[in-house]
Amino acid sequence: NAGVMQNPRHLVRRRGQEARLRCSPMKGHSHVYWYRQLPEEGLKFMVYLQKENIIDESGMPKERFSAEFPKEGPSILRIQQVVRGDSAAYFCASSPGTGQNQPQHFGDGTRLSIL
Amino acid sequence: RKEVEQDPGPFNVPEGATVAFNCTYSNSASQSFFWYRQDCRKEPKLLMSVYSSGNEDGRFTAQLNRASQYISLLIRDSKLSDSATYLCVVPRRGDKIIFGKGTRLHILP
Repeated sequence: NAGVMQNPRHLVRRRGQEARLRCSPMKGHSHVYWYRQLPEEGLKFMVYLQKENIIDESGMPKERFSAEFPKEGPSILRIQQVVRGDSAAYFCASSPGTGQNQPQHFGDGTRLSIL
Repeated sequence: RKEVEQDPGPFNVPEGATVAFNCTYSNSASQSFFWYRQDCRKEPKLLMSVYSSGNEDGRFTAQLNRASQYISLLIRDSKLSDSATYLCVVPRRGDKIIFGKGTRLHILP
């Protein structure tokens, strides 16, 4: 029973390039969340998606960042024209559904480094 | 009051001791709460859920005080492997949850 799968584990990009981070939720989970964590800081919510819908993107920067969760395939967090400040760990989490009693389960994260 | 607030620590505690830390929250409508632990450079892992007055799992006890709007985590007979950052999580509306910044715990040999 695989957990939340994220890839790649580590991603290195040069300034101006694009970064694509992938997340496959746990089996049976239809809700996906993306978080960013800077070194020595807490988790910051970015976006919450269900299949083919963005439910809450209040934590997502208005420019260069986008997220999707297509009907088929993993959720993708896309960062265009990356800058040094985008270097962080990006975690994906999933949950089975609505309700406050549903904890989120996290993937191993993608460590993004911008040269 | 911030939505979720935790003492960042670090708490330096000798092995075998008991340690407790709190997390205060502002949304009185929150019904359930979670404690996660996060090891350095790893993903957060669910430690305990707190739905009513409290929950106990081995050496770990989580308690909820609705009147004062805080939850606590108590660790008895602490082990070196308990060293981590403990994150308090409070659901907001819908499925959005708010993470505290975490409390760092160092268990000393």
